Amino acid sequence: AQSVTQLGSHVSVSEGALVLLRCNYSSSVPPYLFWYVQYPNQGLQLLLKYTSAATLVKGINGFEAEFKKSETSFHLTKPSAHMSDAAEYFCAVSDQGNNRLAFGKGNQVVVIP
Amino acid sequence: DAGVTQSPTHLIKTRGQQVTLRCSPKSGHDTVSWYQQALGQGPQFIFQYYEEEERQRGNFPDRFSGHQFPNYSSELNVNALLLGDSALYLCASSLIGIGGQGYNEQFFGPGTRLTVL
Repeated sequence: AQSVTQLGSHVSVSEGALVLLRCNYSSSVPPYLFWYVQYPNQGLQLLLKYTSAATLVKGINGFEAEFKKSETSFHLTKPSAHMSDAAEYFCAVSDQGNNRLAFGKGNQVVVIP
Repeated sequence: DAGVTQSPTHLIKTRGQQVTLRCSPKSGHDTVSWYQQALGQGPQFIFQYYEEEERQRGNFPDRFSGHQFPNYSSELNVNALLLGDSALYLCASSLIGIGGQGYNEQFFGPGTRLTVL
């Protein structure tokens, strides 16, 4: 079964600084990988996805992630944090074709002015 | 396009009761998946409905059941509620279409917050 690991439940970053959220996956087959964002009292919004095309994936709001098979990683980055980036971020994995997502525990991002 | 809608927004029940949550998928979508998100945790897959049948199921007891209607909307039913069932229940819709394979982006609704006392 696929799974993802996100370390560090709370991440504090200064406004304008690099945002780096780590995600490592475990999958017996080539995975599809996703990052979602969740704002308070809202559902999940897709930030970006890797579906076996380009390994560097660009998403919305200036975020990007790189798929590294050798490291089984799919870390999320943003060069310069904005106050509006304060939210919870989830990494997720699915087998190609089954549309069933397995989520990590999430990272709560706090942006310090 | 209204996107994925869920009702009710909030719900309070007592232990042992039964609850029904509802989901309307995004226009044009034919598949509905349900997830449970406990406080401080990531969502966990409950089950998925396609062509009015349960297509996949996660590690949840039989107290959790569902239904999909001909208009693709869906219900999640939970019987004999436990305190541990308190969570945000998320519905996600996607388009699988003919053949039933391949990745299709899932769009999430805002969720139903269930509190069991």
